[in-house]
Amino acid sequence: AQTVTQSQPEMSVQEAETVTLSCTYDTSESDYYLFWYKQPPSRQMILVIRQEAYKQQNATENRFSVNFQKAAKSFSLKISDSQLGDAAMYFCAYRKNTGTASKLTFGTGTRLQVTL
Amino acid sequence: NAGVTQTPKFQVLKTGQSMTLQCAQDMNHEYMSWYRQDPGMGLRLIHYSVGAGITDQGEVPNGYNVSRSTTEDFPLRLLSAAPSQTSVYFCASSNLGGAKNIQYFGAGTRLSVL
Repeated sequence: AQTVTQSQPEMSVQEAETVTLSCTYDTSESDYYLFWYKQPPSRQMILVIRQEAYKQQNATENRFSVNFQKAAKSFSLKISDSQLGDAAMYFCAYRKNTGTASKLTFGTGTRLQVTL
Repeated sequence: NAGVTQTPKFQVLKTGQSMTLQCAQDMNHEYMSWYRQDPGMGLRLIHYSVGAGITDQGEVPNGYNVSRSTTEDFPLRLLSAAPSQTSVYFCASSNLGGAKNIQYFGAGTRLSVL
């Protein structure tokens, strides 16, 4: 079974600084997707960024980027120029590319605080 | 754009009561699923469906029933609520497989069982 581990329950960053959230996963598959979801106090789950395992290039979405190390099974999220609105729970998630079922396996989350 | 709509947003039940959490999506997605979110445990899959008339169990299915009579709707039933089912419940939907398979989540239902 696939597992996703987020070893940082809480992180803190100052506004305008950069922070990196860690995620490791365990799988025997070679074709899969990895995701970072943001959950603000509103509870809404918002997709931040997605990485396809067969792509070596790290995904980037504006201030958000990932460091995908397939051999090490590591998938960290870097947030640059942090803003107050970035404060939220962040979940790392894995999905096998089966072509049919789309089950996501989530990590336990990292709560990010952004301070002035 | 409605996306994924969950009702109700909040619910308080007494032990042994039954209820149905509603989930509807208007994106014609084949795949729908229910997760529960508990403190320190992330989101765990309860049940999922890959199309009308097809459902399957996830990681934590005990105490929950689902059905999928239409593409749009995927209700979650608690037949006899227990305090252990106090949680936040999320419904999600997506296309099946492939690179465009991104799951969209509802706003969640906070359920308390006393």
